Amino acid sequence: ETGVTQSPTHLIKTRGQQVTLRCSSQSGHNTVSWYQQALGQGPQFIFQYYREEENGRGNFPPRFSGLQFPNYSSELNVNALELDDSALYLCASSLGGLASYNEQFFGPGTRLTVL
Amino acid sequence: QQQVKQSPQSLIVQKGGISIINCAYENTAFDYFPWYQQFPGKGPALLIAIRPDVSEKKEGRFTISFNKSAKQFSLHIMDSQPGDSATYFCAASGETSGSRLTFGEGTQLTVNP
Repeated sequence: ETGVTQSPTHLIKTRGQQVTLRCSSQSGHNTVSWYQQALGQGPQFIFQYYREEENGRGNFPPRFSGLQFPNYSSELNVNALELDDSALYLCASSLGGLASYNEQFFGPGTRLTVL
Repeated sequence: QQQVKQSPQSLIVQKGGISIINCAYENTAFDYFPWYQQFPGKGPALLIAIRPDVSEKKEGRFTISFNKSAKQFSLHIMDSQPGDSATYFCAASGETSGSRLTFGEGTQLTVNP
């Protein structure tokens, strides 16, 4: 059983550009959540996908968008990058839908640097 | 009301000592309280979790104490080891927010040999 994988590992972009980050969920997991972790802070919830539908969104602007595919992998897209978007982006997958106690398994993250 | 407050920000403990990290929450709809351990360059990994129907949960050297009336919970690491040196995050989720986690600010634990 493979864990959650994310690509790329590191990414450098300039302000105003667009970026796509990818996540492959753990085998059999149907729920994917994305988090942003700024340096020295706890992860902040961006949004969650359950069976290809967005379910819940944190306090992030619309230029943060996502997709979940039939195989439950997911993408996070960020348009019009700003310097404050520099962070570690974490993907987490879980099994069993939206119950609060479903264990979430995190990937290693994508380190995004915006110059 | 969605915040989870965590303290201390950093903690230095001698090998064999007890590490204690505290968290407090406001949202009474929270009903699942996990602790995550994160090493540099890695994603958070679940360490131990508790639901509010019990006041304590122990797994090996790790114990969660939960005080529902005070809306506080804490992580105790017994016999702390240098390999425990990492950043620890408390988190919470609840019936109104599904499995989305609200994290504390993190505690950087250093265990000296």
